[in-house]
Amino acid sequence: QVQLVESGGGVVQPGRSLRLSCAASGFTFSRYGMHWVRQVPGKGLEWVALIWDDGSNKYYADSLKGRFTISRDNSKNTLYLQMNSLRGEDTAVYYCARRIGYYFDFWGQGTLVTVSS
Amino acid sequence: QSVLTQPPSVSGAPGQRVTISCTGSSSNIGAGYDVHWYQQLPGTAPKLLIYGNNNRPSGVPDRFSASKSGTSASLAITGLPAEDEADYYCQSYDSSLSDWVFGGGTKLTVL
Repeated sequence: QVQLVESGGGVVQPGRSLRLSCAASGFTFSRYGMHWVRQVPGKGLEWVALIWDDGSNKYYADSLKGRFTISRDNSKNTLYLQMNSLRGEDTAVYYCARRIGYYFDFWGQGTLVTVSS
Repeated sequence: QSVLTQPPSVSGAPGQRVTISCTGSSSNIGAGYDVHWYQQLPGTAPKLLIYGNNNRPSGVPDRFSASKSGTSASLAITGLPAEDEADYYCQSYDSSLSDWVFGGGTKLTVL
C-alpha cells in the first residue's frame, strides 16, 4: 500500500535552516510528481511546492519563492524540502502528498516544524 | 484569506443530510478546473474524499457526493454518522496564481 513518511521536523530558531524528508513506499516513486503542503496548527491547508516525477520542473507558492527548495532522489524514493531563512509564520505541520493531475491522492502523516527562539 | 471560500462550520443530526459549499472565481473553478474534496479527522492527515468534481476513491462510502456548477461546488453527506465529524476542505487549481488552492475548511459537527 502507498506509504509516505515525513521526517526532519522540530524546533528551529528564526533565520535558521531545516531539511524535511518524505520516504515513499508501496508505489513506483519515480513515476509520480510530489507536493509539499503545510498546515498551521488549527488553520487551513496551504500548498507549498511541486516537483515533477523526474525532477525536471519545480513550482513554488509565490510567498515562499527563494527560501524553500523542493528536490527528490528517485534512487532513494525520497522527497525533500530545504527550508532556509525560517520565520515564525513558517511554523506548521508539513505534509508530503502524491500528485495525480491537479489533486493529491495520498498524504503522509506530517511533520511539525516550530520556528521559535 | 483562502482563494476558495467555505463556511467555517456546519452541523447536522445523525442521519440527516448536510452540504458544504465551496465558492471560487473565474480563474479557478470557473475556468474549468476540477474541484476535489478532502476529509481531515481530528489529529490526522487529510484524506482524499472526492476527486474530479464527483468521483469517489475506492473505499469512500457512497453517502459522500459532490457537484460543481459555474464558479462553485458543493459536498453533500447523507445519513450522517457520528464518525463523519471532521474538517472538510475543497481544492482546485488557480491559473492566475499558478497555485494549487484550498478552501479555508469547514468543521462538520454531528449533533
